[in-house]
Amino acid sequence: QQQVKQSPQSLIVQKGGISIINCAYENTAFDYFPWYQQFPGKGPALLIAIRPDVSEKKEGRFTISFNKSAKQFSLHIMDSQPGDSATYFCAASYSGYSTLTFGKGTMLLVSP
Amino acid sequence: NAGVMQNPRHLVRRRGQEARLRCSPMKGHSHVYWYRQLPEEGLKFMVYLQKENIIDESGMPKERFSAEFPKEGPSILRIQQVVRGDSAAYFCASSPPELMNTEAFFGQGTRLTVV
Repeated sequence: QQQVKQSPQSLIVQKGGISIINCAYENTAFDYFPWYQQFPGKGPALLIAIRPDVSEKKEGRFTISFNKSAKQFSLHIMDSQPGDSATYFCAASYSGYSTLTFGKGTMLLVSP
Repeated sequence: NAGVMQNPRHLVRRRGQEARLRCSPMKGHSHVYWYRQLPEEGLKFMVYLQKENIIDESGMPKERFSAEFPKEGPSILRIQQVVRGDSAAYFCASSPPELMNTEAFFGQGTRLTVV
């Protein structure tokens, strides 16, 4: 049973546009929601993370929006750049348990 | 401070051979996690270890796979009698005990190909 569903599978955005990736979770015990960025041949790198006590978190061009009642969270990349082209993974875990449950990933291509 | 170091980066094994994947966590990190990534799939948790202890191995196949994190030296993921379905990228992550899941740093992975 997949506990974190991620969409879309792939996304093409023009330079300067907004990239939006969505995730939905099932386990209401989850209380930590990170996003990872992965370039080809590299390991995932933590991009930004949120806890359910806030509905939005912004770091530079990256914003997480969180909807606890809908059990959904999303990543917004403002002013998308070609260097943002990568695979993005959402994940979830809960306090006292260290392992992460990942979505299947979204391959983002930002066209010049 | 070096990041999480995994070696080898690429490993080719024939069916039936053994594969040993190594992971040196970041300095000061005593928690190690192994994940497997199949093509076009997300990362799947395999095992969580602390020094000399396996904390959670619920994601690891019951047969042929084993993991250890000795008091001294790197963590080792061992796959015996490899089959083609074991071909994947294996990632190790580490975190310090006080941060646990909030700052899991990943290595660059070992890409295992079984021929």
